[in-house]
Amino acid sequence: AQKITQTQPGMFVQEKEAVTLDCTYDTSDQSYGLFWYKQPSSGEMIFLIYQGSYDEQNATEGRYSLNFQKARKSANLVISASQLGDSAMYFCAMREVLNGAAGNKLTFGGGTRVLVKP
Amino acid sequence: ETGVTQSPTHLIKTRGQQVTLRCSSQSGHNTVSWYQQALGQGPQFIFQYYREEENGRGNFPPRFSGLQFPNYSSELNVNALELDDSALYLCASSYAGDGRETQYFGPGTRLLVL
Repeated sequence: AQKITQTQPGMFVQEKEAVTLDCTYDTSDQSYGLFWYKQPSSGEMIFLIYQGSYDEQNATEGRYSLNFQKARKSANLVISASQLGDSAMYFCAMREVLNGAAGNKLTFGGGTRVLVKP
Repeated sequence: ETGVTQSPTHLIKTRGQQVTLRCSSQSGHNTVSWYQQALGQGPQFIFQYYREEENGRGNFPPRFSGLQFPNYSSELNVNALELDDSALYLCASSYAGDGRETQYFGPGTRLLVL
């Protein structure tokens, strides 16, 4: 079974600084996908960034980048130039195939709470 | 493009009752997944529907059941509610077949069982 581990329960970051959120995973699959989601206090899970196991380059989406180290089975999220609106829970998740070619489920880590200080 | 919507936003039930939660998929998506998120934890996969059939199920008892309709909207039904069913229920839609199958989530339904 797949497992996602986020070891940082909470972090403070100064506004305009960068922050790195750790994520390690365990899987025996050769092909897999890793996702990061943001969950504000409102509850909605907002998709941030995706990294495929065969992608040769680290994923980037605006201020979000993913430091993917396949051999170490880590997929850390870097948020650059933090803003007050970045205060939220952040979840790392892995895609697992459900049934043949159709359908995947997500296995989530426990999350990291980020608080951006002005 | 319309995002994923869920109703109701909040719900209070008593132990033993039954509840139905609803979800409308993002346009163009053909797969719906449901997750349960207990307070302070990551979401746990309940089940997924594709082409109106259950496509996979997590470690949840049969009193959790669902439906997917031809317009790809979905329902989650929970019978014989227990106190531990109190949680945020998240619906996510995706398009099966595009490789990534990124799941896009709705705002969730907060269920409190008393």
